Amino acid sequence: QQPVQSPQAVILREGEDAVINCSSSKALYSVHWYRQKHGEAPVFLMILLKGGEQKGHDKISASFNEKKQQSSLYLTASQLSYSGTYFCGTEIGGSGYALNFGKGTSLLVTP
Amino acid sequence: DGGITQSPKYLFRKEGQNVTLSCEQNLNHDAMYWYRQDPGQGLRLIYYSQIVNDFQKGDIAEGYSVSREKKESFPLTVTSAQKNPTAFYLCASNRDTNSPLHFGNGTRLTVT
Repeated sequence: QQPVQSPQAVILREGEDAVINCSSSKALYSVHWYRQKHGEAPVFLMILLKGGEQKGHDKISASFNEKKQQSSLYLTASQLSYSGTYFCGTEIGGSGYALNFGKGTSLLVTP
Repeated sequence: DGGITQSPKYLFRKEGQNVTLSCEQNLNHDAMYWYRQDPGQGLRLIYYSQIVNDFQKGDIAEGYSVSREKKESFPLTVTSAQKNPTAFYLCASNRDTNSPLHFGNGTRLTVT
């Protein structure tokens, strides 16, 4: 039931853009995005609650396509601080509260 | 400041011993969760609880047990039945489905 994330890893130069995708074989009720730095706890970025709704956080935004059961995270003009592992979490249908996370996308931004 | 406290940060045990990981929150959140993190595997759900005295199994509950006697506390016991217990364990909580998860700083368990 884990959502599938792609790519697994990406290396960017500072200022470049990136897209991280998250897809599910089951209907998505909501999608969460988190970033985790090495050895630290994941930190919340945003929640997408309904199809087509985009929410932004500085130069990080996301989209949610209910029909395609997909979400994408867009990182624009990347900064060194964007480095880390990005996880999408999708709500397990019927459970009401528990998120299932993907395996993560490792992002490295270089100077 | 409100938050989630996991203790200890590092834990070492011999094979065959049960061990309990502590998780306490003062955020007044109803829901609490335990995730296991292994390299390249993401976060996998072990157990979760929506209210006191009630909890549900996640995808990898075998070899683990939990209790939820108080709203603030959700301890996880790793039993000797868990075949590969060495991992990073994260506790989290949130107010409801549409709210962000707040994570503790994790406990790294090593079983030899």
